[in-house]
Amino acid sequence: EAEVAQSPRYKITEKSQAVAFWCDPISGHATLYWYRQILGQGPELLVQFQDESVVDDSQLPKDRFSAERLKGVDSTLKIQPAELGDSAMYLCASSRHSGAEAFFGQGTRLTVV
Amino acid sequence: AQTVTQSQPEMSVQEAETVTLSCTYDTSESDYYLFWYKQPPSRQMILVIRQEAYKQQNATENRFSVNFQKAAKSFSLKISDSQLGDAAMYFCAYGPGGADGLTFGKGTHLIIQP
Repeated sequence: EAEVAQSPRYKITEKSQAVAFWCDPISGHATLYWYRQILGQGPELLVQFQDESVVDDSQLPKDRFSAERLKGVDSTLKIQPAELGDSAMYLCASSRHSGAEAFFGQGTRLTVV
Repeated sequence: AQTVTQSQPEMSVQEAETVTLSCTYDTSESDYYLFWYKQPPSRQMILVIRQEAYKQQNATENRFSVNFQKAAKSFSLKISDSQLGDAAMYFCAYGPGGADGLTFGKGTHLIIQP
C-alpha cells in the first residue's frame, strides 16, 4: 500500500541551528501539505503545494521557514535558525486534489534544545 | 477564517458500547468538506470518515457514522461497538471546496475501557 514517506522520524537540534525535513508523497498526488502539530493540539497548515507551485504559505513564518517542491514530487521543509518554540511534530500529507482524502506521513518529531 | 471546535478534550467508553464525539465549525462557505481523522499513539493520522457539505445523507463507514447538521454547523462522530483499537486522538477537520488545506480542531482523546 502506498504511503507518504517522511524522514527523519526524530530530530534533536540546538537552538539557532538549521534543520531540514524531507517528504515523498504518494505517487500521482499533485497536492502536498506541510502541517505543524504542537503537542496536545491539532495540526496547523504551514504550506500547501499544487505540483511545484505554492498555493498557500500564509501561515509559514517566512523569516525562518522555507519550503520547496522543485520537481513537483518530493518536498523539503527547512528551518533556519531553529528556535525553542519550533519543537513540534511536522507532518506531511498528500492528496490527489483538494477535497480528496489527504494521506499523512508518520511525521518528524523535532526537539529544539 | 474557518474555525473547528471540539469541546470534549477526553472521552471514555466501555468496550462494545457506543460513543459520540462532538465537533462544531464556523464558515461562511456553502461548499466544503468535513473529515474525522484518527491519530493512534506514535502512529500516522488516518482518515476515518468524510462528508461533502452538499450531501444531505450522513456518511457511514462500518462502525463509524456521522450526524451532519449543516444549519447548526455540527458534525459529530458516532462509534458503535467500540473496540480497544479505537483508542486514539480523534480530530475533526474542515476543508474548503477550493484549493486550501484542512483546518483541524484540537482533538478528543478517546479511551476504551476493557
